Amino acid sequence: GAVVSQHPSWVICKSGTSVKIECRSLDFQATTMFWYRQFPKQSLMLMATSNEGSKATYEQGVEKDKFLINHASLTLSTLTVTSAHPEDSSFYICSALGTGTEAFFGQGTRLTVV
Amino acid sequence: AQSVTQLGSHVSVSEGALVLLRCNYSSSVPPYLFWYVQYPNQGLQLLLKYTTGATLVKGINGFEAEFKKSETSFHLTKPSAHMSDAAEYFCVVTPNAGGTSYGKLTFGQGTILTVHP
Repeated sequence: GAVVSQHPSWVICKSGTSVKIECRSLDFQATTMFWYRQFPKQSLMLMATSNEGSKATYEQGVEKDKFLINHASLTLSTLTVTSAHPEDSSFYICSALGTGTEAFFGQGTRLTVV
Repeated sequence: AQSVTQLGSHVSVSEGALVLLRCNYSSSVPPYLFWYVQYPNQGLQLLLKYTTGATLVKGINGFEAEFKKSETSFHLTKPSAHMSDAAEYFCVVTPNAGGTSYGKLTFGQGTILTVHP
């Protein structure tokens, strides 16, 4: 299958700072990428849909000003958690959709805000 | 709208025993169905998927699942559990509505599979 690389795999940051997470499709062009969040002992929840060259579409209840998404190229989408707080600590994972019907997942990023 | 319900947040089996993880879904349009496995602090690995055609789908590591439209179910099975199967399993649905809908996945709550020696 296609490869999606997510970086960093884990990050610890201080409360009030911002953190950027990158999601790259390595061997295919992804017109659409998706960002999910997984709180401890819970399932994955879709946060937003990111289309190359346009604004992201956020799911209900997700603060777009807190979770900034940029999809500047067909192989890269970034999620920036702004002014992070401990309640933002979570596992964030991206997926990328090419021309087919299967989205491929990155390895995920474990964010801890202290 | 669509939703997924996995029956049983924890399933425990003995090594060599049958694995059965239950999944029921609801979808207003014909769905695509997936099972993913997640190992601790890792990403998601696709086990198998149903899109169209044969309703019994075989995946990796000896897993298979059967799409039963009348029961709105997509249960995951493996005849003989191995210690390496211990992980969390997610049943996932996406609407077969074309375009970017294929990437908007709805996850079940997950089932943690424990395999005892």
